[in-house]
Amino acid sequence: DTGVSQDPRHKITKRGQNVTFRCDPISEHNRLYWYRQTLGQGPEFLTYFQNEAQLEKSRLLSDRFSAERPKGSFSTLEIQRTEQGDSAMYLCASSSPFTVQYFGPGTRLTVT
Amino acid sequence: DAKTTQPNSMESNEEEPVHLPCNHSTISGTDYIHWYRQLPSQGPEYVIHGLTSNVNNRMASLAIAEDRKSSTLILHRATLRDAAVYYCTGDNYGQNFVFGPGTRLSVLP
Repeated sequence: DTGVSQDPRHKITKRGQNVTFRCDPISEHNRLYWYRQTLGQGPEFLTYFQNEAQLEKSRLLSDRFSAERPKGSFSTLEIQRTEQGDSAMYLCASSSPFTVQYFGPGTRLTVT
Repeated sequence: DAKTTQPNSMESNEEEPVHLPCNHSTISGTDYIHWYRQLPSQGPEYVIHGLTSNVNNRMASLAIAEDRKSSTLILHRATLRDAAVYYCTGDNYGQNFVFGPGTRLSVLP
């Protein structure tokens, strides 16, 4: 257990539905990252926050994806109008500046 | 972004040393070389990192080439629990987030 928690661990949804995932970072970490991982691939960067500010977004983050980190603590990642191609593991990580990232266990999304 | 290349898979016998190579020829001078590993059904976990000098910690050693275009993660005595996918990445402390497909390490009893 790294201290980063994600909820839910598994989510099955029908195509076209909206889903929201939550990440609780290690409390003293002010950086929070979201990644997506598909089978056989390494994590792909989606976005990251420093405190409540979203500082970078990948081109993978289409307009159906939105992430927030109100008050610089937990973060949510929402996917609207899910598609089958969104099926993946969604990973959250946190860090202090200039230190390594600690990953959560991930949320596995299956879109049917 | 620093692009890394690693062998798709490697095999080792239990209790033997394992050397996992990584090429990162496009790494910048300020990018640290990080290694993470991912056990089945878990998120990646940090293993080790370094900039120029070789590094040791309780999990592994990291040997960095003098030109910094490659590095080698060394597990001194592989155990069955070391079976995982190992990723190397250039990481300017959160400014560089590129993971390749990694090396799947199998450890044979």
